[in-house]
Amino acid sequence: DAMVIQNPRYQVTQFGKPVTLSCSQTLNHNVMYWYQQKSSQAPKLLFHYYDKDFNNEADTPDNFQSRRPNTSFCFLDIRSPGLGDAAMYLCATSRDPGLSNQPQHFGDGTRLSIL
Amino acid sequence: KQEVTQIPAALSVPEGENLVLNCSFTDSAIYNLQWFRQDPGKGLTSLLLIQSSQREQTSGRLNASLDKSSGRSTLYIAASQPGDSATYLCAVHTGNQFYFGTGTSLTVIP
Repeated sequence: DAMVIQNPRYQVTQFGKPVTLSCSQTLNHNVMYWYQQKSSQAPKLLFHYYDKDFNNEADTPDNFQSRRPNTSFCFLDIRSPGLGDAAMYLCATSRDPGLSNQPQHFGDGTRLSIL
Repeated sequence: KQEVTQIPAALSVPEGENLVLNCSFTDSAIYNLQWFRQDPGKGLTSLLLIQSSQREQTSGRLNASLDKSSGRSTLYIAASQPGDSATYLCAVHTGNQFYFGTGTSLTVIP
């Protein structure tokens, strides 16, 4: 049973055309993360929400925004995608990162292509 | 800043062989270390989590160890199978951040 669900699995958009990626969870976890992963690279954290508190990584481009309307859903908005934004986007959740026994749970990712 | 390194980047072994994957990190102040498996075009599947106070964790044919003082973790896979072929990533949790290695791509040859 999928616990972190990302939609769509594959997304194609045009250069400069806004796109939104979706993530939902059935785990009722406090924290939701968005990562960008390019080919053969480590996942790179873009930002995360701890409940309603938004935490942006210092080097995340302004082009990337996120929304978390409720506990279950989190969205990644790319306002003006460039060719360099083509990547796998991974959503993850954890219950409370302050506890050392809490793992991250990942979705299957959305593969974003830019034409 | 924490840096996580995984060596080798790629590994190819015959079926049935026992193998060890390595993960090293630069700052020993960690909450936990998690091992993941990633199949091509997919997300990450959690395999094992070792808390900073623990030395090892086991799940089936997998055993992960942690030596915080030396900044190392190993993932031991016993009796490897072709279905084990995937990329294995380790991630260190520092309390504020998760730092990932770039992974080891494992191929198990039938």
